[in-house]
Amino acid sequence: AQSVTQPDIHITVSEGASLELRCNYSYGATPYLFWYVQSPGQGLQLLLKYFSGDTLVQGIKGFEAEFKRSQSSFNLRKPSVHWSDAAEYFCAVGVTSYDKVIFGPGTSLSVIP
Amino acid sequence: NAGVTQTPKFQVLKTGQSMTLQCAQDMNHEYMSWYRQDPGMGLRLIHYSVGAGITDQGEVPNGYNVSRSTTEDFPLRLLSAAPSQTSVYFCASSSGTSGGQDTQYFGPGTRLTVL
Repeated sequence: AQSVTQPDIHITVSEGASLELRCNYSYGATPYLFWYVQSPGQGLQLLLKYFSGDTLVQGIKGFEAEFKRSQSSFNLRKPSVHWSDAAEYFCAVGVTSYDKVIFGPGTSLSVIP
Repeated sequence: NAGVTQTPKFQVLKTGQSMTLQCAQDMNHEYMSWYRQDPGMGLRLIHYSVGAGITDQGEVPNGYNVSRSTTEDFPLRLLSAAPSQTSVYFCASSSGTSGGQDTQYFGPGTRLTVL
């Protein structure tokens, strides 16, 4: 069965600093990979997704993620964090069927001025 | 285009009470789903629907019922609320054209407390 781990429960970064959020998955084949963001009191919004091809994918709000098959990872990065990036970030893994999208436990990001 | 809407935003119930969480989407999406979000556990799928008249169970279906009489609406019913159902509930929809590849669009959530 597939699973998703996000090793960091909470991360605090200074505004303007770089950011990397970690995501590891367990699945026998190449999965579909997603990053969603949840702002306080809001629903989830898709940041980016990977299905195939170029392993570095660009998303909205200046985020990017890199798929590394050898490490079963799909880490999210941003070169310079803004205060508005403070939110909860969820990595998710999908397979062929709709009901098998699995969400990780989330990483809460705080940004200090 | 309102996207996915959910009502109510907040609800407090007593143990044993029943209620229905409403979800509607105006994107003509075939797939709709209900998730619950609990601290440290991410989102867990309760029930989902791949089209009007078709529903199925997700990971944590016990204590919840659903029906899908129209493409737009997908209500979630709690027949006899329990404190373990205290959670934040999200409804999501997707086009249904690519299965596990689909982007899901989420509603703003309903925060439910069962006393």
